[in-house]
Amino acid sequence: DMKVTQMPRYLIKRMGENVLLECGQDMSHETMYWYRQDPGLGLQLIYISYDVDSNSEGDIPKGYRVSRKKREHFSLILDSAKTNQTSVYFCASSSDTTGQLYFGEGSKLTVL
Amino acid sequence: GDSVTQTEGLVTLTKGLPVMLNCTYQTTYSPFLFWYVQHLNEAPKLLLKSSTDNKRTEHQGFYATLHKSSSSFHLQKSSVQLSDSALYFCAFPLYNQGKLIFGQGTKLSIKP
Repeated sequence: DMKVTQMPRYLIKRMGENVLLECGQDMSHETMYWYRQDPGLGLQLIYISYDVDSNSEGDIPKGYRVSRKKREHFSLILDSAKTNQTSVYFCASSSDTTGQLYFGEGSKLTVL
Repeated sequence: GDSVTQTEGLVTLTKGLPVMLNCTYQTTYSPFLFWYVQHLNEAPKLLLKSSTDNKRTEHQGFYATLHKSSSSFHLQKSSVQLSDSALYFCAFPLYNQGKLIFGQGTKLSIKP
């Protein structure tokens, strides 16, 4: 079953708190991604991971860090969350033969 | 540089009419082209993909033809339904980087 799973789906935090968003995939894909999407807008790439401990900044990495210790898991960490990090975060994994992305269902983060 | 252009930000149509959403791309190689669809409060899902020049690709009533001569991959449907209301993204992968370049997206709104 080809699936990308994100947890939690909904999260409310106060400004300054730490946030951990987790993502898992069962397709053994090497490449994984974290995107954010603000209402009515496109997808902005935060980080890309090419494999375990092989991570690269995307277009908007400031304020975020990632961890990938197992191929099937990719975490996004916000140290001291800010109100402008309120958004929907999507994890994705890639079939590198074509570049097609498989997306998780999204994690809606609200920072108060 | 590499880019995707979707010229329409919002397309509003009455049910039953045909639609064409424009997508042109710029790159120095011959990539796969993708159309993703994102319904409200859902994750983006792959709608169509193609890497074959001048071949029509179809799925769920939508179709597109990759024209490498004009660097275009326009999305069409002959008769739109209310359920087609969604955000549509055109995209292609950057060569050898595992990173997908997305257009800004076109919001398709269908009225009864």
